[in-house]
Amino acid sequence: EVQLVESGGGLVQPGGSLRLSCAASGFTFSNYWMNWARHTPGKGLEWLANIKQDGSQSYYVDSVKGRFTIFRDNAKNSLYLQMNSLRVEDTAVYYCARDLPGISASAPWGQGTLVTVTS
Amino acid sequence: EIVMTQSPATLSVSPGERATLSCWASQSVSSKLAWYQLKPGQAPRLLIYGTSTRATGIPARFSGSGSGTEFTLTISSLQSEDSAVYYCQQYKEWPRTFGPGTRVEVK
Repeated sequence: EVQLVESGGGLVQPGGSLRLSCAASGFTFSNYWMNWARHTPGKGLEWLANIKQDGSQSYYVDSVKGRFTIFRDNAKNSLYLQMNSLRVEDTAVYYCARDLPGISASAPWGQGTLVTVTS
Repeated sequence: EIVMTQSPATLSVSPGERATLSCWASQSVSSKLAWYQLKPGQAPRLLIYGTSTRATGIPARFSGSGSGTEFTLTISSLQSEDSAVYYCQQYKEWPRTFGPGTRVEVK
């Protein structure tokens, strides 16, 4: 069964850092583009970043560019999101998601991990 | 950035009835449009990609249509388990962008 499991969320102060992890299983992780996205009740879904199979290319939405870094370890079947300079508005449920082969739509998604940025 | 809009914000439909959700893009996205379903506490679920192709395991009551800037998701016979928020998303250009969502309530 294809599965993605996020971890690493929690409570952090503004300006702080957090690293999210996504453990993949049930498929050949190194064959797929991978993504991070987030959801808040007020703003809905927002795509954050994605990374190529070998990690050689990555793309970010402007709101996180320069603060967040996506990277992967294919030997560990894991995807990561390093989040620095966190802001209150980064409070959200964070999801990892796998792209369909050759198509920039994503399935499946993980269950998400909650990040709360508050003083 | 391509801006996506959706209508209505909330849709209340009786079981067995048809639900029609609309999505617009601020510029043409060709057929690079997907629909996702999000229920509280669950992972988002891909329903439709390429405007009209159902993802693996998605029931036939879900269908998508449209092209360019106007798109529709139709749930032909609403079931109780279809209560959720539905998001359209374009993937023609980076950043991929979502609409604000349509909440579907089953009466």
